[in-house]
Amino acid sequence: NAGVTQTPKFRILKIGQSMTLQCTQDMNHNYMYWYRQDPGMGLKLIYYSVGAGITDKGEVPNGYNVSRSTTEDFPLRLELAAPSQTSVYFCASSLRDSRLDTFGSGTRLTVV
Amino acid sequence: RKEVEQDPGPFNVPEGATVAFNCTYSNSASQSFFWYRQDCRKEPKLLMSVYSSGNEDGRFTAQLNRASQYISLLIRDSKLSDSATYLCVVNSYNQGGKLIFGQGTELSVKP
Repeated sequence: NAGVTQTPKFRILKIGQSMTLQCTQDMNHNYMYWYRQDPGMGLKLIYYSVGAGITDKGEVPNGYNVSRSTTEDFPLRLELAAPSQTSVYFCASSLRDSRLDTFGSGTRLTVV
Repeated sequence: RKEVEQDPGPFNVPEGATVAFNCTYSNSASQSFFWYRQDCRKEPKLLMSVYSSGNEDGRFTAQLNRASQYISLLIRDSKLSDSATYLCVVNSYNQGGKLIFGQGTELSVKP
């Protein structure tokens, strides 16, 4: 049982480049989330999904896009990367609403 | 005022000590409360939920005070392995049910 798998673990992007952070879970959880964590700060919600085909914005959605075509996958797309998007990105999933049961191991992104 | 605010750290304590962290939240409509543990450069992991009547899990005790809008985490008989950052997390139905994280309180347990 792999849980929540995030790829890549590390990435360096140049300003203006685009990339997709992958997130896959094998627990059949309906709820999936993307958070970012800046140094010394708590996690901030970027986007979330309550099921396949349904996504919604969190606190800090600007500069990001998501899709949820299957229950398992919830990729996060960065268009036109900016230095302000340098952060650690965590994907999480849960069986029920208002919980975070399992986190992925994170993606450390640096934009230079 | 931040929606969720935690004791600023770091807390440096000797092994065997008892340590308590506090967390205040601003939205009185908040319904669910959690403590997560995050090791250095790792993902957060659920430590325990916090119930209105208070709850205990081994050496860990969580309390909720709705009137004063704060939750606490007490760790007894601290172990070296308790060294981590502890994140207070609050769910607010007034804000679409999203989970709001505090900035974390770092604990360092020394031999």
